Amino acid sequence: AQKITQTQPGMFVQEKEAVTLDCTYDTSDPSYGLFWYKQPSSGEMIFLIYQGSYDQQNATEGRYSLNFQKARKSANLVISASQLGDSAMYFCAMRPTQGGSEKLVFGKGTKLTVNP
Amino acid sequence: DSGVTQTPKHLITATGQRVTLRCSPRSGDLSVYWYQQSLDQGLQFLIHYYNGEERAKGNILERFSAQQFPDLHSELNLSSLELGDSALYFCASSGGGTHTEAFFGQGTRLTVV
Repeated sequence: AQKITQTQPGMFVQEKEAVTLDCTYDTSDPSYGLFWYKQPSSGEMIFLIYQGSYDQQNATEGRYSLNFQKARKSANLVISASQLGDSAMYFCAMRPTQGGSEKLVFGKGTKLTVNP
Repeated sequence: DSGVTQTPKHLITATGQRVTLRCSPRSGDLSVYWYQQSLDQGLQFLIHYYNGEERAKGNILERFSAQQFPDLHSELNLSSLELGDSALYFCASSGGGTHTEAFFGQGTRLTVV
């Protein structure tokens, strides 16, 4: 079965510093997608970044980058130059291809607090 | 703005009632997914439709049902509501395939009293 593990229930970072949010996954699927979403206190789910299992390069989107280590089955999110508006829940998700469905499997999330 | 529209944003209803949540996917997206987010269960996959056909079911109760219409909008019907059904219900859409992004609507916050 596919599983996403986020071991950090909460993280704190100072404004303007970088922070890494951990994510490990478990799948026997050779092809899968990895995603990160941000959920601010207002509740919406905001897509941040995507990494394909066959991608050679780590994905980057502005201040977000994904540190993809396939052998370790990890897909950590790095946020550079943290801003107060980055305070939110962050969810790692995987989309495997087993079972014929393209559903996203989510981790339990990490609550990030950015301090001024 | 993700391009996925969910209505209503908030819904308060009594136990035993039935409600319908509506989702309009992003233009061109054929896949619609429904998720339930509660404090104790986290984000749970409910059901996936692709171009009008059911593709997969997750932890969806028999009291819940969904459909996707020819114009690709989708509805999630929740009946015989219980207090435990109170949650944030999300719809997401994507173009289909493992390696395409899924964009979420703003969610419908359902409160059963």
